[in-house]
Amino acid sequence: DTAVSQTPKYLVTQMGNDKSIKCEQNLGHDTMYWYKQDSKKFLKIMFSYNNKELIINETVPNRFSPKSPDKAHLNLHINSLELGDSAVYFCASSQASGGSYNEQFFGPGTRLTVL
Amino acid sequence: AQKITQTQPGMFVQEKEAVTLDCTYDTSDPSYGLFWYKQPSSGEMIFLIYQGSYDQQNATEGRYSLNFQKARKSANLVISASQLGDSAMYFCAMTGGYNKLIFGAGTRLAVHP
Repeated sequence: DTAVSQTPKYLVTQMGNDKSIKCEQNLGHDTMYWYKQDSKKFLKIMFSYNNKELIINETVPNRFSPKSPDKAHLNLHINSLELGDSAVYFCASSQASGGSYNEQFFGPGTRLTVL
Repeated sequence: AQKITQTQPGMFVQEKEAVTLDCTYDTSDPSYGLFWYKQPSSGEMIFLIYQGSYDQQNATEGRYSLNFQKARKSANLVISASQLGDSAMYFCAMTGGYNKLIFGAGTRLAVHP
């Protein structure tokens, strides 16, 4: 039983293309997140949705657009891909967006390589 | 601004020995959570342990314990009886606004036989 799943696991594409990454969680959580891990392994929050509503939008180029069709799904669409977008993108989910304790469950990651 | 600092880019330890991975944090919020995650070479993020800012006791989970020193703003991870499978990247993180996780730069741990 996969808790947080992402597709695809690997994505290799050319500069300028548009691509999407999908995320689904079956934990019944209310909140989902996208994190980016760069080549130096640094992890940074990009977006968060709570019950389909965008609640965190960090300083991310507007070529990145998240979409949450329901609270179990959070997709990430990237337009006009650039070399610097190459990274591992992690989806995560947690029970709620408030409180100090809220373990986040991570998906397996999507390794995006832009050529 | 909230910040996590991990000053050890790499550590090594002999199998069966204990190791401490350092983490200091900075926040002005009175209520926060501190987490440690493990990332093996396969890439997934594995939750290890949690400490709440109001918890009086240090958290423990099996061979993992969190040495929480609130006044010093430190949350070091102690791994006892290291195993070869503990070789991985370890990330310290804290909760920020809307429960986002703010991560440190990570420490790469190598366990030698």
